[in-house]
Amino acid sequence: AQKITQTQPGMFVQEKEAVTLDCTYDTSDQSYGLFWYKQPSSGEMIFLIYQGSYDEQNATEGRYSLNFQKARKSANLVISASQLGDSAMYFCAMREGLPGSARQLTFGSGTQLTVLP
Amino acid sequence: NAGVTQTPKFQVLKTGQSMTLQCAQDMNHEYMSWYRQDPGMGLRLIHYSVGAGITDQGEVPNGYNVSRSTTEDFPLRLLSAAPSQTSVYFCASSLQGAPDNEQFFGPGTRLTVL
Repeated sequence: AQKITQTQPGMFVQEKEAVTLDCTYDTSDQSYGLFWYKQPSSGEMIFLIYQGSYDEQNATEGRYSLNFQKARKSANLVISASQLGDSAMYFCAMREGLPGSARQLTFGSGTQLTVLP
Repeated sequence: NAGVTQTPKFQVLKTGQSMTLQCAQDMNHEYMSWYRQDPGMGLRLIHYSVGAGITDQGEVPNGYNVSRSTTEDFPLRLLSAAPSQTSVYFCASSLQGAPDNEQFFGPGTRLTVL
């Protein structure tokens, strides 16, 4: 079974609108972490946001927020007020086990976001 | 502080050739990893290291070797390149005990095997 599932290969959003990118995960660990990375066309991996499994509040970083629904095993990324520079591939990833026990990430297949002017 | 550096940026090999992808970090990070990214896919873990002298296999280790003789360097060796190894390779590092968001990726090496 896929550990990280991103069901939206491509998404379009109008500039200044909000967009939600979906991510569901599968793990039997009680302790885990969820990440979102942005990969622009230049290819580098840019960390956006992190949510720990024991964090009670949804993570936020500027225009990015993570809608964490533990019972549904979903960790959707919400980008508010989209900008043209947000056009990129977005990856959801998971680290299983306690923080610091391992730093290996399992990635989803990504969502290509295009922001329209 | 250069972060995570990878060389070369691009490489073309013929089937059967061997080569080493270099990865170095100057942040004194214990953890280092190699991932590959195939077209239209997420990253998959090849090998990782939790410190000098310690390495382990990830999800797709076949055809690759690693060693970790120093904290700074974590080279990835392709023993006999195959077209299936055409991919973009990313090296990553992080500090033991640091918050989980502090995982740093290198800029990637784009490898083509003919």
